[in-house]
Amino acid sequence: EDKVVQSPLSLVVHEGDTVTLNCSYEVTNFRSLLWYKQEKKAPTFLFMLTSSGIEKKSGRLSSILDKKELFSILNITATQTGDSAVYLCAVEAPTGANSKLTFGKGITLSVRP
Amino acid sequence: NAGVTQTPKFRVLKTGQSMTLLCAQDMNHEYMYWYRQDPGMGLRLIHYSVGEGTTAKGEVPDGYNVSRLKKQNFLLGLESAAPSQTSVYFCASSLWPLHTGELFFGEGSRLTVL
Repeated sequence: EDKVVQSPLSLVVHEGDTVTLNCSYEVTNFRSLLWYKQEKKAPTFLFMLTSSGIEKKSGRLSSILDKKELFSILNITATQTGDSAVYLCAVEAPTGANSKLTFGKGITLSVRP
Repeated sequence: NAGVTQTPKFRVLKTGQSMTLLCAQDMNHEYMYWYRQDPGMGLRLIHYSVGEGTTAKGEVPDGYNVSRLKKQNFLLGLESAAPSQTSVYFCASSLWPLHTGELFFGEGSRLTVL
């Protein structure tokens, strides 16, 4: 059974801090790893990672994948209150002609002013 | 600028009642999905569809049925609701089978079964 484990489950930081969110996985036939941000409602896409060691970056957010050790991290520098959200990690694996996403339970980040 | 729209957004049911959640997307996506999200459980796939007229079971399909009669619509039905189906339901769509990485989610439908 495919498994995605995120840690920590929640954390509280102050504005300006840097945070690192972790995602480890065990899946058969890994294809990609994805990060989503979920505020009050719908998850929104952040990154998709397929290759080891290549950092994806968007503003203050960055993410990297280690396919040998089976994990990814999402870094947020100079955090702002608007970064408060649940961060979801998901791993894509092929299933025949299609593929499926297995989600982790999410990390709840609270950024205090 | 609608994207993925779910209706209704909130619903309270009694055990044994039936209902249908409607998902509509205006992006001409082939793939559509229904997920449920429960506290501490993450998102779990209920059913999905790879095109008009097709459906397939996901991780937690029991107690649900789906239909995709039109490409833009994906319906999730509960024939006899149970308290264990109290959850937030998300519909999503994608252009390709996840190869681009981006699922577009609706805003969720909160269902309570008493």
